[in-house]
Amino acid sequence: DQQVKQNSPSLSVQEGRISILNCDYTNSMFDYFLWYKKYPAEGPTFLISISSIKDKNEDGRFTVFLNKSAKHLSLHIVPSQPGDSAVYFCATRGGGKLIFGQGTELSVKP
Amino acid sequence: DVKVTQSSRYLVKRTGEKVFLECVQDMDHENMFWYRQDPGLGLRLIYFSYDVKMKEKGDIPEGYSVSREKKERFSLILESASTNQTSMYLCASSSPHRGISETQYFGPGTRLLVL
Repeated sequence: DQQVKQNSPSLSVQEGRISILNCDYTNSMFDYFLWYKKYPAEGPTFLISISSIKDKNEDGRFTVFLNKSAKHLSLHIVPSQPGDSAVYFCATRGGGKLIFGQGTELSVKP
Repeated sequence: DVKVTQSSRYLVKRTGEKVFLECVQDMDHENMFWYRQDPGLGLRLIYFSYDVKMKEKGDIPEGYSVSREKKERFSLILESASTNQTSMYLCASSSPHRGISETQYFGPGTRLLVL
């Protein structure tokens, strides 16, 4: 049973526009969420996180929003750049380990 | 800067071979993890370890074993490789601090092809 779901396998966005990547989770007890970014032939790298006591966390062009009642989080990238093209994984912490979603491949076109 | 290295970037093995994937981290992290990444399935946890000589099964341990003889090294073993183990294998490490959620640091991955 997939506890963290990213229902969009891919997303294509024009350079300079906003990218919105979505993630849903099933367990309301999850209290910390992370986004990782992965380029081909490289390991994932940590991008941004949010605790359940907040509903927004911002770091430069990246903002994560958390809607606890909907069990939904989203990552906004503004403005999108071609270098943002990668696979993005959302994850949550559970049982001492991270639980990852399936990933969304973002393509930012010049 | 945290560094996690994996012994090979690409491996080609034959069905039935025993395969060793090595991972080394240089930040004295207690926790180490092995994942596989497959299209549409995301990152799936195979095994993890909280300390030397300790191991815990992840979500998909079947067909794999691990070894953690030293704190910095975590090995993944495919006892008898099968074609359905063709995948990207990723090692990660983290250091838990009470009250702070640990970020995992990943190695570059090993792309394994089993023929």
